[in-house]
Amino acid sequence: EPEVTQTPSHQVTQMGQEVILRCVPISNHLYFYWYRQILGQKVEFLVSFYNNEISEKSEIFDDQFSVERPDGSNFTLKIRSTKLEDSAMYFCASKPRYEQYFGPGTRLTVT
Amino acid sequence: QQQVKQSPQSLIVQKGGISIINCAYENTAFDYFPWYQQFPGKGPALLIAIRPDVSEKKEGRFTISFNKSAKQFSLHIMDSQPGDSATYFCAAQLETSGSRLTFGEGTQLTVNP
Repeated sequence: EPEVTQTPSHQVTQMGQEVILRCVPISNHLYFYWYRQILGQKVEFLVSFYNNEISEKSEIFDDQFSVERPDGSNFTLKIRSTKLEDSAMYFCASKPRYEQYFGPGTRLTVT
Repeated sequence: QQQVKQSPQSLIVQKGGISIINCAYENTAFDYFPWYQQFPGKGPALLIAIRPDVSEKKEGRFTISFNKSAKQFSLHIMDSQPGDSATYFCAAQLETSGSRLTFGEGTQLTVNP
């Protein structure tokens, strides 16, 4: 069964550094998403992407964040200058129409 | 208005019992209501989902009950098993097909053997 994959599984970075989180959505899915989950809290929406552009973003998704679909398969989330509060699990999701399928996540630890 | 409220925060059930988790929403434009199951260190996995044109959907031991007038929906897990121990999130999505999921706060379910 096709699944969303994410790399790396765990990323440790120093405050102020740039990180790129990578996702390979399920092929033939049209919509792509990034969510984050701070430890013990609910899943929060960051951004959605459709037809090679951002379709919606939350108030969390400020100028420090960007997304890209550099080729036909990868979908990336970049954080330009990480802060301590960016420490969280970051989930990529994709969907054909309604059902969103989530990847296993990347645990980002900012020290 | 975008919020989804979920209760209880935690739930302990004996093996074979029924687990019930409730959610309420405010935005009547939501038209898709999935439940996700999440094990520690893993991503949310779609469990079951419902559209507001039906009042109930059953898949195996999992049932969603939907009350459109009350703007509430619930997940029932029949014959709960220790392997069901996980965190469950309800969610809601607007009619626009590309729109985000809005998640509830989550319920940590423990099924004792």
